[in-house]
Amino acid sequence: KNEVEQSPQNLTAQEGEFITINCSYSVGISALHWLQQHPGGGIVSLFMLSSGKKKHGRLIATINIQEKHSSLHITASHPRDSAVYICAASNTGNQFYFGTGTSLTVIP
Amino acid sequence: DTAVSQTPKYLVTQMGNDKSIKCEQNLGHDTMYWYKQDSKKFLKIMFSYNNKELIINETVPNRFSPKSPDKAHLNLHINSLELGDSAVYFCASSRKPFKRHRAEDEKLFFGSGTQLSVL
Repeated sequence: KNEVEQSPQNLTAQEGEFITINCSYSVGISALHWLQQHPGGGIVSLFMLSSGKKKHGRLIATINIQEKHSSLHITASHPRDSAVYICAASNTGNQFYFGTGTSLTVIP
Repeated sequence: DTAVSQTPKYLVTQMGNDKSIKCEQNLGHDTMYWYKQDSKKFLKIMFSYNNKELIINETVPNRFSPKSPDKAHLNLHINSLELGDSAVYFCASSRKPFKRHRAEDEKLFFGSGTQLSVL
């Protein structure tokens, strides 16, 4: 069993829909990362959370430390949001645990 | 200016060869990383390194070795390449200093990746 589990694995949405991607982890962490990888291959860090909630434009990330769970929300989704979203947990010892990614396709 | 740059972007080579991938960051970060992404897009950390400590993922074969001439560079050397080494390799950095740090120091900045194909 992977230390970080993401769901769903694949997600197709209509443009404008509200999207949620979930991440659960089983290890102790100091930070939870949400990464975005576009079809071109580059990886961008969207959020890094240690508690609470962060918002950047149409993206919102939340984390519940007690439940070891994080969610990434996309409001008013757009085709340019189509990408793979990866959840990763890190600890102070520089260990990184990655989820298997969620492939999102937003249809116009 | 690219924050984390790695070269080459593509590397095609024969089995058994030795190759290197270079990585440089101009962010003044203290920690650099190498990750491997397999054909299923699953990322795994290979190494993390700052000027004090190298942490090796124990699953990484010793044919892989990181070399850091200075804080801004972490190159990846691979000896005796095997077919299974074909993957995309990403370099990354974070501000994270060796000793006490804040959570926000862990934010990762990635290079654009090197696609390695071993024939």
